[in-house]
Amino acid sequence: GAGVSQSPRYKVTKRGQDVALRCDPISGHVSLYWYRQALGQGPEFLTYFNYEAQQDKSGLPNDRFSAERPEGSISTLTIQRTEQRDSAMYRCASSLAPRTYEQYFGPGTRLTVT
Amino acid sequence: LAKTTQPISMDSYEGQEVNITCSHNNIATNDYITWYQQFPSQGPRFIIQGYKTKVTNEVASLFIPADRKSSTLSLPRVSLSDTAVYYCLVGGYGGSQGNLIFGKGTKLSVKP
Repeated sequence: GAGVSQSPRYKVTKRGQDVALRCDPISGHVSLYWYRQALGQGPEFLTYFNYEAQQDKSGLPNDRFSAERPEGSISTLTIQRTEQRDSAMYRCASSLAPRTYEQYFGPGTRLTVT
Repeated sequence: LAKTTQPISMDSYEGQEVNITCSHNNIATNDYITWYQQFPSQGPRFIIQGYKTKVTNEVASLFIPADRKSSTLSLPRVSLSDTAVYYCLVGGYGGSQGNLIFGKGTKLSVKP
């Protein structure tokens, strides 16, 4: 079946612009997670949702970052007034049940801020 | 979450069995041990999870001693396509509020 999909796969933006990254989880998966991964490092947790409710946003670096999942399916991670330090791979994952370590990751969006 | 320690890198040759050990001295009673695999340019992939003794699936085996302070991921007869980073994670069943905490992982290089 279809896995987690993310769009765009690559995004180049100028400093100060806003960007929106999209995640389409596996159909029927209750929970959705956002991670950020720097080169040579493991993914770093940002936030997660059960259905449409944001359960934990403790990993969001600052208030320029926000996420939503209004209908409990597709999610959008928005970064306002992007900075060069925001450049990274942004990964989305989903899981069938909440609070599980068995998560399915998407291919990621490579964000480059120039 | 219990902190984990694993080797930064390992080298192997095709056809060999590879064992990657992860230390987690502070593992809690309700913590499970989970391993992920990440190929270059792809997202991490769940490969195996266990609580104690031995777990085996079509990809790997996971050995957990009685004291559970360490675990060993065993990959039988590796091939070039097993070259990847392997992450060991430890946390309560059901996750720690859902978020996975990855370290740097073990970079396995399989040579012909």
